[in-house]
Amino acid sequence: SQTIHQWPATLVQPVGSPLSLECTVEGTSNPNLYWYRQAAGRGLQLLFYSVGIGQISSEVPQNLSASRPQDRQFILSSKKLLLSDSGFYLCAANGLASAGELFFGEGSRLTVL
Amino acid sequence: GQQVMQIPQYQHVQEGEDFTTYCNSSTTLSNIQWYKQRPGGHPVFLIQLVKSGEVKKQKRLTFQFGEAKKNSSLHITATQTTDVGTYFCAGLDNYGQNFVFGPGTRLSVLP
Repeated sequence: SQTIHQWPATLVQPVGSPLSLECTVEGTSNPNLYWYRQAAGRGLQLLFYSVGIGQISSEVPQNLSASRPQDRQFILSSKKLLLSDSGFYLCAANGLASAGELFFGEGSRLTVL
Repeated sequence: GQQVMQIPQYQHVQEGEDFTTYCNSSTTLSNIQWYKQRPGGHPVFLIQLVKSGEVKKQKRLTFQFGEAKKNSSLHITATQTTDVGTYFCAGLDNYGQNFVFGPGTRLSVLP
C-alpha cells in the first residue's frame, strides 16, 4: 500500500535557527511530490512541487527551500527561520492511484518563537 | 493566476440539518477534487469529478460539477457529528500539474 511518512510531527524552533522537514513515500515509483503550508484555520498554500529527482519548482518566493535527493524523498529546509514560517506543513504525493488524487502525510506542526 | 474560492467560510449546523459548500474557479477546470480535513488531521481525498454536469454520491454526500466546469458543490444530507471538519475543493491548474486549493469551508455540527 502507498504511504507517506513525514517527520518530525511537531517542533518548536527559535527565530534564526535552521529547519529540516523530511518526507518519504512508500509503495510507488516516480511520484509527483508537493510541500504545502497551512496557517492556523486557513487553506493550503503550495510551496514547492517536484516531478523528479533534483527537479524543484517554487510557487512563492520565501525563506524556504526544497530538495529531492531520491525518487521518494522530499525535504523542506530553511537556513534561518522567521516568525512567519510558523504553520502546519504537509507533504503530499500523487501518482499513487489512478484518479490522480493527492495523498497527504500526517503533517509537521512548526512553531517559531 | 488561477483562483479557487469557496463559500461559506464557516457553517454551524444542528445535527440532522443539511449542509452545502460551494466552490468557484476563475478559470475552467479539467477536473475538480474534494478533500476533508478533520480537526488536527491532514486532508483526505473524497472524490474527483471530471465531466461537465457530473453528479456523484457517497452515502449522504452529493457532489456536483457545473456545466461550465468552473464551479462545484458538496451537499451533505442530515449531518452527523462525524461530518465535522474542513472541506476543500481543488482544481488542476492550467499546466495540469498543480492542484489549486480553495480556502475551505469549516463545518461544525452541534449535537
